[in-house]
Amino acid sequence: AQSVTQLDSQVPVFEEAPVELRCNYSSSVSVYLFWYVQYPNQGLQLLLKYLSGSTLVKGINGFEAEFNKSQTSFHLRKPSVHISDTAEYFCAVSVSPGNTGKLIFGQGTTLQVKP
Amino acid sequence: ETGVTQSPTHLIKTRGQQVTLRCSSQSGHNTVSWYQQALGQGPQFIFQYYREEENGRGNFPPRFSGLQFPNYSSELNVNALELDDSALYLCASSSAGAVGYGYTFGSGTRLTVV
Repeated sequence: AQSVTQLDSQVPVFEEAPVELRCNYSSSVSVYLFWYVQYPNQGLQLLLKYLSGSTLVKGINGFEAEFNKSQTSFHLRKPSVHISDTAEYFCAVSVSPGNTGKLIFGQGTTLQVKP
Repeated sequence: ETGVTQSPTHLIKTRGQQVTLRCSSQSGHNTVSWYQQALGQGPQFIFQYYREEENGRGNFPPRFSGLQFPNYSSELNVNALELDDSALYLCASSSAGAVGYGYTFGSGTRLTVV
């Protein structure tokens, strides 16, 4: 079975500082990895995904993530955050690239950007 | 191109009652998944529908059931509501076989059971 662990429940950071949100996964088979963002009272928006190829993935809003198979990690980074990045961030895995089957989510990390 | 629409946005039900939540898929999508997100938790997979049939189910009891219609819209039904069913219910649509396209989520229905 697959599982996802987001290592930090809350990450406070000052505006324009860099940030890293950590995600580790466990799986006995190949996985496909995703990061979603959830703003208050809204659904989930896809930030980026890793399916294959280059291990460095670039997404929307200046975010990027690096897939590390040996460490089973998929950490999300942004070099300079804005107040508007304050939100809940979820890492997720799937064993299917074809958009069927379930996504398994981590518990979420609250990013709090302070002025 | 419209996104995923869920209705209602909020509702309050009494323990023991039944509830139906609705989801309209994004145009061109033929697969619908439902997730339950309890407060402070990540979403949990309930089930998925493809071509009007259940195509995978998470660890939820049979009182959680669903339907998918020929236009790919979907319903989630929950019978005999319990207090722990209080959560945000998210619908996600996708296009089966469109590798890498991803899921589009709706804004959810906030269910409160009292």
